[in-house]
Amino acid sequence: SAVISQKPSRDICQRGTSLTIQCQVDSQVTMMFWYRQQPGQSLTLIATANQGSEATYESGFVIDKFPISRPNLTFSTLTVSNMSPEDSSIYLCSVEYNEQFFGPGTRLTVL
Amino acid sequence: LAKTTQPISMDSYEGQEVNITCSHNNIATNDYITWYQQFPSQGPRFIIQGYKTKVTNEVASLFIPADRKSSTLSLPRVSLSDTAVYYCLVGDSGNTGKLIFGQGTTLQVKP
Repeated sequence: SAVISQKPSRDICQRGTSLTIQCQVDSQVTMMFWYRQQPGQSLTLIATANQGSEATYESGFVIDKFPISRPNLTFSTLTVSNMSPEDSSIYLCSVEYNEQFFGPGTRLTVL
Repeated sequence: LAKTTQPISMDSYEGQEVNITCSHNNIATNDYITWYQQFPSQGPRFIIQGYKTKVTNEVASLFIPADRKSSTLSLPRVSLSDTAVYYCLVGDSGNTGKLIFGQGTTLQVKP
């Protein structure tokens, strides 16, 4: 199995600021994924981050708003830029390691 | 990636068997059927995966008819701790790694 940690676990931010979320895995993995889960909703895939290449974004998500880094096979960051209250969500990273594992999530509240 | 349809919510009592059915009429030949469980404030957790007929593990059973257009997750003798959201996903995740989540089924187990 793969153990995933995320930092921060939660944060409250002001409108217009940016927050970088870190995802650390205890195993080397090729594919990492970032999801968003809005209050009371299901998970929506934001992007796929593979080491050594640019992230691939899903429809409705753009790099300027959600820049992603993937410097090595165990780590990734997602930045939520120029935040608005609509960005208030739980952000989860996920990895594929035989099966798919999810981190505990980062609960973001934008005031 | 095939779209899935599940009941939005279900209620059960402790000790009962719970069956959650998922429809996936457009399932492709290469698609597997995977079920995830999500507790509040946690990321989803893999429960079971199957391609056809029946799969059983220590947590649940998965029944898939011959046409594969639906599947049923069976939870034997549920307890209060099985209260969670259950997601049915269909896709060839081994190829893309992407998981597309539907709305999920909120299972409430009552004493």
